[in-house]
Amino acid sequence: QITLKESGPTLVKPTQTLTLTCTFSGFSLSTSGVGVGWIRQPPGKALEWLALIYWNDDKRYSPSLKSRLTITKDTSKNQVVLTMTNMDPVDTATYYCAHALVVVVAATWGNWFDPWGQGTLVTVSS
Amino acid sequence: DIQMTQSPSSLSASVGDRVTITCRASQSISSYLNWYQQKPGKAPKLLIYAASSLQSGVPSRFSGSGSGTDFTLTISSLQPEDFATYYCQQKFTFGPGTKVDIK
Repeated sequence: QITLKESGPTLVKPTQTLTLTCTFSGFSLSTSGVGVGWIRQPPGKALEWLALIYWNDDKRYSPSLKSRLTITKDTSKNQVVLTMTNMDPVDTATYYCAHALVVVVAATWGNWFDPWGQGTLVTVSS
Repeated sequence: DIQMTQSPSSLSASVGDRVTITCRASQSISSYLNWYQQKPGKAPKLLIYAASSLQSGVPSRFSGSGSGTDFTLTISSLQPEDFATYYCQQKFTFGPGTKVDIK
């Protein structure tokens, strides 16, 4: 059974750096085709993908947030860490991590997220 | 970047109704389109992956179809527990969501 859980501060001040940790079990992030993604959701709004790290340490970032995001993994600890710099009140959201599967067929590929962690609400306020 | 749109943005339906939600990509994405269900205060749940594959444990009243740029999620007979928001996703982009509520 795959489980993931997000941890980190619930309140950060504007301009501070947010560090979130995703601790998972039931899979290995060294297995081919596996990744862990971060997705956020502002209150009452839609899902927004942030970053994804793959088994081979390849990393992908949202183009609009790329300059502020860093994703890393610690395979031995079964953890993935996301840092977001220069936090702003508009970054207030529930942040989710999720197990990702990547499928490659010929010249095309796709990925999906399943399961997800329970999410953690991060509020940005002074 | 590929943009995803969903229609309608919301709909009201009754238990037993057949419900169809559409997702459109700004360019062809082959068949790599996924659907999620999210209930208030809960994390999203994968329903359909690769356009038409039913995730394990998901009721068979859910089905997906499409390829290229146009995709649909169909609920054949809406149940009380299906009132939720539904999102499509391809690679690194989510659609804006479709909220299904009770008529």
